Amino acid sequence: GQNIDQPTEMTATEGAIVQINCTYQTSGFNGLFWYQQHAGEAPTFLSYNVLDGLEEKGRFSSFLSRSKGYSYLLLKELQMKDSASYLCVVRPGAGNMLTFGGGTRLMVKP
Amino acid sequence: ETGVTQTPRHLVMGMTNKKSLKCEQHLGHNAMYWYKQSAKKPLELMFVYNFKEQTENNSVPSRFSPECPNSSHLFLHLHTLQPEDSALYLCASSPIPRDSGNYGYTFGSGTRLTVV
Repeated sequence: GQNIDQPTEMTATEGAIVQINCTYQTSGFNGLFWYQQHAGEAPTFLSYNVLDGLEEKGRFSSFLSRSKGYSYLLLKELQMKDSASYLCVVRPGAGNMLTFGGGTRLMVKP
Repeated sequence: ETGVTQTPRHLVMGMTNKKSLKCEQHLGHNAMYWYKQSAKKPLELMFVYNFKEQTENNSVPSRFSPECPNSSHLFLHLHTLQPEDSALYLCASSPIPRDSGNYGYTFGSGTRLTVV
């Protein structure tokens, strides 16, 4: 089976840094995505990792360790608009199927 | 606008009604998906279509009936729904990858369905 674990909720302060962790146990591994979803809206793509290491894109960075089955999403200089759910998503096989984590609801407070 | 368009955005229907949700993409993708998202719950995969052929039916009740007339359009026909079917219904599309490239899903904005 496929299993993705991430915290259900996190709270952080505007201007701070927050790290959202994700661990996965899947039948295979062919890439990991992070998506952002504001309440009642579509999930939107944030980042993609397939090799170990850090991918940086503006205020957001994503890290992957395949040997540990572990990833994190790092958000810097938090803004109120960053309040959303963040989904850790794994492609376990070579095809188009993705496995979604339950999401981490991040609340940014002033 | 993500490139995947869903209509309607909101729908209220009675338990005896029949309605359809529509999804359209012009991204050149060959796979389309229906997901259900209930309040504070993870995304639940419902159906997958690859090259217009249904490849996945995730034990969805027969009161939900998908239709994929071509690679750009996907419908979800609804009939005799229950109040617990009230949720956000999301459509997504993607390429069908041949390698481990960045082939994620593009989601529509969803249809907020309320069954009364």
